[in-house]
Amino acid sequence: KQEVTQIPAALSVPEGENLVLNCSFTDSAIYNLQWFRQDPGKGLTSLLLIQSSQREQTSGRLNASLDKSSGRSTLYIAASQPGDSATYLCALLSGSARQLTFGSGTQLTVLP
Amino acid sequence: NAGVTQTPKFRVLKTGQSMTLLCAQDMNHEYMYWYRQDPGMGLRLIHYSVGEGTTAKGEVPDGYNVSRLKKQNFLLGLESAAPSQTSVYFCASSYTYGTANTEAFFGQGTRLTVV
Repeated sequence: KQEVTQIPAALSVPEGENLVLNCSFTDSAIYNLQWFRQDPGKGLTSLLLIQSSQREQTSGRLNASLDKSSGRSTLYIAASQPGDSATYLCALLSGSARQLTFGSGTQLTVLP
Repeated sequence: NAGVTQTPKFRVLKTGQSMTLLCAQDMNHEYMYWYRQDPGMGLRLIHYSVGEGTTAKGEVPDGYNVSRLKKQNFLLGLESAAPSQTSVYFCASSYTYGTANTEAFFGQGTRLTVV
């Protein structure tokens, strides 16, 4: 059974700081990994998708990496802004039924 | 382009009542999923479907039933609601091409309270 862990559970940083969110998983036989953002009381917004054959993806100030051999992914946020405050979730697609398994998320607060 | 639409957005039920949550997607996706999100527990898979007419159990299926009579719709039913089913429910869809899957698209959620 795939298990996904996100560390830290919560993070508070001053505006402008670069930061890294971590996601680790137990089963490296994945189809893809996806990072989401969730604002309080809202749905999930897809940020980046990394296919199993890829090592990283970039979108604006966001960069996600994938290392299947070590069972880890990182989400790098450059020059953080208060608008980046949200919960960030990673999810892995794996298994014969192509199930998405989520981590419990990292709650990010960027202080002005 | 509506994407994934969930109906209703909010609902309050009394214990023992039944209801159906509707998920509709307009992207012709094969795969559809129902999740519940509870504080401190992340999103957990209830049921999923790999195509029209097929359904399967996820991690927490007890107390729920699903149907996928049309490719674009995935229904989640609560036969006899219990307070433990108070949660936020999310529907998602995706499709495959070859060995790769596209990203999953999520609806905006249904906030259900069982009293």
